[in-house]
Amino acid sequence: AAGVIQSPRHLIKEKRETATLKCYPIPRHDTVYWYQQGPGQDPQFLISFYEKMQSDKGSIPDRFSAQQFSDYHSELNMSSLELGDSALYFCASSLDPGANEKLFFGSGTQLSVL
Amino acid sequence: EDQVTQSPEALRLQEGESSSLNCSYTVSGLRGLFWYRQDPGKGPEFLFTLYSAGEEKEKERLKATLTKKESFLHITAPKPEDSATYLCAVRSGGGADGLTFGKGTHLIIQP
Repeated sequence: AAGVIQSPRHLIKEKRETATLKCYPIPRHDTVYWYQQGPGQDPQFLISFYEKMQSDKGSIPDRFSAQQFSDYHSELNMSSLELGDSALYFCASSLDPGANEKLFFGSGTQLSVL
Repeated sequence: EDQVTQSPEALRLQEGESSSLNCSYTVSGLRGLFWYRQDPGKGPEFLFTLYSAGEEKEKERLKATLTKKESFLHITAPKPEDSATYLCAVRSGGGADGLTFGKGTHLIIQP
């Protein structure tokens, strides 16, 4: 079965650089979520999109932005990177969140900021 | 603000030694409680969703139960391959779509 695809798998950046993470949801899933997980921490909700519109916002820094495209894939854009942004970034997808469907997670992008 | 507290933080069991993991939650109207398994460097893998107190679900050696304040993940006769971090998460009725996770229980099953 198709799963959530994230790219790249690993990313190394310098401080103050920018990064773009991509997420391809499971086919027919119209909702995408982004999570940030620091070492030994629980996943923290950043932002979600439903039908290409932002549906919910969590603890996403102003330096980060995201969008969902017409094919439902999503990109998380991160600017002015800081050392503290080093983390595992997960994308998850689901069907309509109003139906309270479970989330399926990708394997994540490991971002290291040096 | 939704809160999820998991205990213990870490648990080491012998193969075949049954135990339970706890997830206590505080939410403004529970829309769902989710259990996930996470292996190192990988994304959380869905296990169960529970919606109302008294509900129970089973999958192989795992059984999840729910009360109005907490959920338990019971592991019966575990095997080494059950070693992982088990995450509990809630979705509240406050309108938020994202899940609020607990910090997880790191489970090690020794052969």
